[in-house]
Amino acid sequence: DSGVTQTPKHLITATGQRVTLRCSPRSGDLSVYWYQQSLDQGLQFLIQYYNGEERAKGNILERFSAQQFPDLHSELNLSSLELGDSALYFCASSVGGNSNQPQHFGDGTRLSIL
Amino acid sequence: AQKVTQAQTEISVVEKEDVTLDCVYETRDTTYYLFWYKQPPSGELVFLIRRNSFDEQNEISGRYSWNFQKSTSSFNFTITASQVVDSAVYFCALVGAVWGDTGRRALTFGSGTRLQVQP
Repeated sequence: DSGVTQTPKHLITATGQRVTLRCSPRSGDLSVYWYQQSLDQGLQFLIQYYNGEERAKGNILERFSAQQFPDLHSELNLSSLELGDSALYFCASSVGGNSNQPQHFGDGTRLSIL
Repeated sequence: AQKVTQAQTEISVVEKEDVTLDCVYETRDTTYYLFWYKQPPSGELVFLIRRNSFDEQNEISGRYSWNFQKSTSSFNFTITASQVVDSAVYFCALVGAVWGDTGRRALTFGSGTRLQVQP
């Protein structure tokens, strides 16, 4: 058990809809990272928050947004969903703000778009 | 730009065989960090090891060992006496470091190597 909690584990929805994925980092970790894992793109970094502030941004679509709250949990919002958004979305956390520290991953949220 | 290549898409071995997973990386940074993660069939990603570019010593942890060679830009992972529980997808990852800006860099993952250990 990594200590990182992601909810829900599975999400099935339709094109055009909006969903919110939630992540609680390990106790004491200030950074939260979001990744997308798909068969064609592999593991792709989306965005990182550190202590409530955006720290780094990857190839995150404009339809996607995230935030980190004062209690350090984070939410990833995906809107106007398309079939190609179907993927496994991981959250990870680390103690500091640097990506060179080991990141501890949650179990992921599997998003299926019908 | 950073790139990680795991040329072996899938490897199948029989239990107790040794197996080496290859990882070749590209980066322009003089300081960088390399990682290995394991993704078992249950799906979660498990951190295995981190090495920095200044430390070329090989590392051994139980049945696992890692061979880091800057001269060939490789960070290979060997499992000795493989077991069925080692069956997983293994990812190599890289992040470069720029003084004062390490937080702006993100992990770049390889495409992964699926290891199947047959009983």
